[in-house]
Amino acid sequence: AQSVTQLDSQVPVFEEAPVELRCNYSSSVSVYLFWYVQYPNQGLQLLLKYLSGSTLVKGINGFEAEFNKSQTSFHLRKPSVHISDTAEYFCAVSEGGGGADGLTFGKGTHLIIQP
Amino acid sequence: NAGVMQNPRHLVRRRGQEARLRCSPMKGHSHVYWYRQLPEEGLKFMVYLQKENIIDESGMPKERFSAEFPKEGPSILRIQQVVRGDSAAYFCASSPRGPGSDNEQFFGPGTRLTVL
Repeated sequence: AQSVTQLDSQVPVFEEAPVELRCNYSSSVSVYLFWYVQYPNQGLQLLLKYLSGSTLVKGINGFEAEFNKSQTSFHLRKPSVHISDTAEYFCAVSEGGGGADGLTFGKGTHLIIQP
Repeated sequence: NAGVMQNPRHLVRRRGQEARLRCSPMKGHSHVYWYRQLPEEGLKFMVYLQKENIIDESGMPKERFSAEFPKEGPSILRIQQVVRGDSAAYFCASSPRGPGSDNEQFFGPGTRLTVL
């Protein structure tokens, strides 16, 4: 069975500072990895995804993430955050190979941007 | 191209009543997933359906919960005899392809169920 761990429930950051949101996963098979963002009272929006190929993935709104197979991590980064980045961020994993599962989500990290 | 639609956005029920949540997937998507989000928690997978078929309901509680995705019309998540612990946000997602491929799921805005 797969699982996702987001170690930080909240991350406060000053505006224009860099940020890293951590995500570790466990799975016995190859995986696809996703980061979603959820703004208050809204659904989830895909930021970026890793399927295969280059381990550095660029997404929307200036975010990027790096897949590290040896450390089973997929941390999300942004070099300079904006007040509008305040939201809940979810890391998710889906197993490859035809498993009939939905996505497995972490508990989320609340990114708080301070002016 | 309209996104995933869910209605109602907010639903209030008294204990013992039935809750019926609707999800219309994106045009051309035949794969639908339901998730539940409890306060301070991530989303938990409940059920995966294709048209007229339940493919994986491993995340669904064994009693009171059911889901369908008929040939015509939206997918329905039905909760009978609701209890306070059912209060949560229920999200629907759709995908043009099934698991094991580029399974990008597109999420609806959710239905927030409150059980009094």
